[in-house]
Amino acid sequence: DGGITQSPKYLFRKEGQNVTLSCEQNLNHDAMYWYRQDPGQGLRLIYYSQIVNDFQKGDIAEGYSVSREKKESFPLTVTSAQKNPTAFYLCASTMDSYNSPLHFGNGTRLTVT
Amino acid sequence: DQQVKQNSPSLSVQEGRISILNCDYTNSMFDYFLWYKKYPAEGPTFLISISSIKDKNEDGRFTVFLNKSAKHLSLHIVPSQPGDSAVYFCAASDVVGSQGNLIFGKGTKLSVKP
Repeated sequence: DGGITQSPKYLFRKEGQNVTLSCEQNLNHDAMYWYRQDPGQGLRLIYYSQIVNDFQKGDIAEGYSVSREKKESFPLTVTSAQKNPTAFYLCASTMDSYNSPLHFGNGTRLTVT
Repeated sequence: DQQVKQNSPSLSVQEGRISILNCDYTNSMFDYFLWYKKYPAEGPTFLISISSIKDKNEDGRFTVFLNKSAKHLSLHIVPSQPGDSAVYFCAASDVVGSQGNLIFGKGTKLSVKP
């Protein structure tokens, strides 16, 4: 079955540590996205990538970094510079960035203490 | 400043009745709108979309209405079923069909009671 896999489902880190969230898709989609959701809030775009080796900042990119070395993979690193890293992180993909709805993974809940 | 607003955090409806979820937007450049549905512990799934050249789009039990002059859209679910209980997100873009710059609302939690 094709889909988007985010792992792990729950992640716990100490403050000051960088942490990388995994996102893999086998849908052969070109574009991939990272969103953040906080309680009672909508989804906010962190980074997106339309093709391999290229990515753009979203609305809240500060404190995050990404890479897109392979079409299937778009890992997100939450750095120690991110002031409020505790959140629910969602990865998504589309065949292209136009006219195709987003397919989301099931998310990773990151807790930093 | 919220560009996409879903002012009702929750809505409760009886099974078989109509559910109406509302969404308002402030950016007049938005011309593509989507609704996503999210169950607990899962990612959102795409439900229905509408571009600004239309005022209505229908897909089975789901209909989205767009009132551009009022900068308002609504999602109608008829008849509502218990399986429709989820959080519904409204999203908007200023480029038709583009997913790269979607702005999401905060969501409305729909509960459909048997």
